[in-house]
Amino acid sequence: GAGVSQSPSNKVTEKGKDVELRCDPISGHTALYWYRQSLGQGLEFLIYFQGNSAPDKSGLPSDRFSAERTGGSVSTLTIQRTQQEDSAVYLCASSLNTGHLISPLHFGNGTRLTVT
Amino acid sequence: GENVEQHPSTLSVQEGDSAVIKCTYSDSASNYFPWYKQELGKGPQLIIDIRSNVGEKKDQRIAVTLNKTAKHFSLHITETQPEDSAVYFCASRNTGGGNKLTFGTGTQLKVEL
Repeated sequence: GAGVSQSPSNKVTEKGKDVELRCDPISGHTALYWYRQSLGQGLEFLIYFQGNSAPDKSGLPSDRFSAERTGGSVSTLTIQRTQQEDSAVYLCASSLNTGHLISPLHFGNGTRLTVT
Repeated sequence: GENVEQHPSTLSVQEGDSAVIKCTYSDSASNYFPWYKQELGKGPQLIIDIRSNVGEKKDQRIAVTLNKTAKHFSLHITETQPEDSAVYFCASRNTGGGNKLTFGTGTQLKVEL
C-alpha cells in the first residue's frame, strides 16, 4: 500500500523566505510526527499530532517554525524567514496509535531543504 | 528528558562477519525500543523492535537484546551482506511523552567484500 508521502523532495530557498513542506500520512494513521535530520546527525523531534488532541510542540526550535494538520490527515510544516541553519532533511512519520497500543512509526523519504 | 547514546558511530566489517551496535537510554520509564535502517536518500525503515517485557527478539539474521537494569539495548546482525550497508538508528519511547521516539545519533555500517 501507499506509504508516507512528502513533497517537495528537494527545496532550495533564499535566506529570509518562507517555505512550506507537505506530508501525506498513511491512510487511517492517527498520529503524525515531524523530525529534522541535519547532515550526519540523528533525528531531532519537532512536533507530534495525535488525533484531535493538542499537538506536542515541545521540539520546535523557534517561533519561526509552525505546523498544522488539517482534517486529521495532511500536515504542513512552515518555516518563516528561513536561516542557513534551517538547512536539513525534514522527515515526516505516521503511526496507528490506539489507546496504549505501541505502534511503529513509518517514515517518508523526507524533504531536503537548502537555504542559500 | 530522555537521552539516547549510540556507539560506534562507524563500523566496518567483512562480509559474513557479525556486527553489533549498542545504545543506552536514560529514562527508566521507557518501554519500547525500535531500530531503524536508513539508506542514502531515503527515510528510516523499521527493521526490528523490542518491548520492555522482553529480553531478546530475533528475526532471521537480526536480533535485539535489552537489559532494563543497565538501561542498554543492542542490535546484532549476523552473516552480514553488502546490502546491510546503511545507517542504523536506535530509539526509545518515553511513556510520559506520548508516542514520540528519541533517537540515537546513528551508526554508519559498511560491509566490505
